[in-house]
Amino acid sequence: AQSVTQLDSQVPVFEEAPVELRCNYSSSVSVYLFWYVQYPNQGLQLLLKYLSGSTLVKGINGFEAEFNKSQTSFHLRKPSVHISDTAEYFCAVSAAAGNMLTFGGGTRLMVKP
Amino acid sequence: DAGVIQSPRHEVTEMGQEVTLRCKPISGHNSLFWYRQTMMRGLELLIYFNNNVPIDDSGMPEDRFSAKMPNASFSTLKIQPSEPRDSAVYFCASRGDSRDNEQFFGPGTRLTVL
Repeated sequence: AQSVTQLDSQVPVFEEAPVELRCNYSSSVSVYLFWYVQYPNQGLQLLLKYLSGSTLVKGINGFEAEFNKSQTSFHLRKPSVHISDTAEYFCAVSAAAGNMLTFGGGTRLMVKP
Repeated sequence: DAGVIQSPRHEVTEMGQEVTLRCKPISGHNSLFWYRQTMMRGLELLIYFNNNVPIDDSGMPEDRFSAKMPNASFSTLKIQPSEPRDSAVYFCASRGDSRDNEQFFGPGTRLTVL
């Protein structure tokens, strides 16, 4: 079984500042890793995913994440955030050979002017 | 591509009433997932179907909850009788026959049980 820990439940940051949202996972098998974003009153939308290959993954809206196998981490970063990035961000993991996603508890990113 | 469609978007009902939530997955997708999201518990997987067959329903809270998928383009989640603690946002997601396990989420149904 897989598990995901998002270490920060809330991250306040000023507009145009950089941000990192942390995600650690545990698994005994090869995994795929995902970041989803949920804007207020909406469903979850895929930001980016890591399947294999390059450990640095670029996604939509200027976000990127780096897969670190030795640290079992998949932290999400953006060099300069906008007010419109205010949302909840979910890290998720699945076994490479499986069907289901296991989600972390979410991190609420609050971008302040 | 219309995406995953859920109805209704909002439902307010009284305790004891039956509630039916509906989902239309993306055409061609062969897996469908029902999730519940609350402040206390976060995002929980309730049940998932593969090729219209329930594969894992271990997340279904109790017998008051039931889910069906009569065909590839429609699924329902029913709560009977409903209770105030069932108040949550219920999401449906679908997945194509791909190897990357990406799920596509609907907009959710916000259920309030009074």
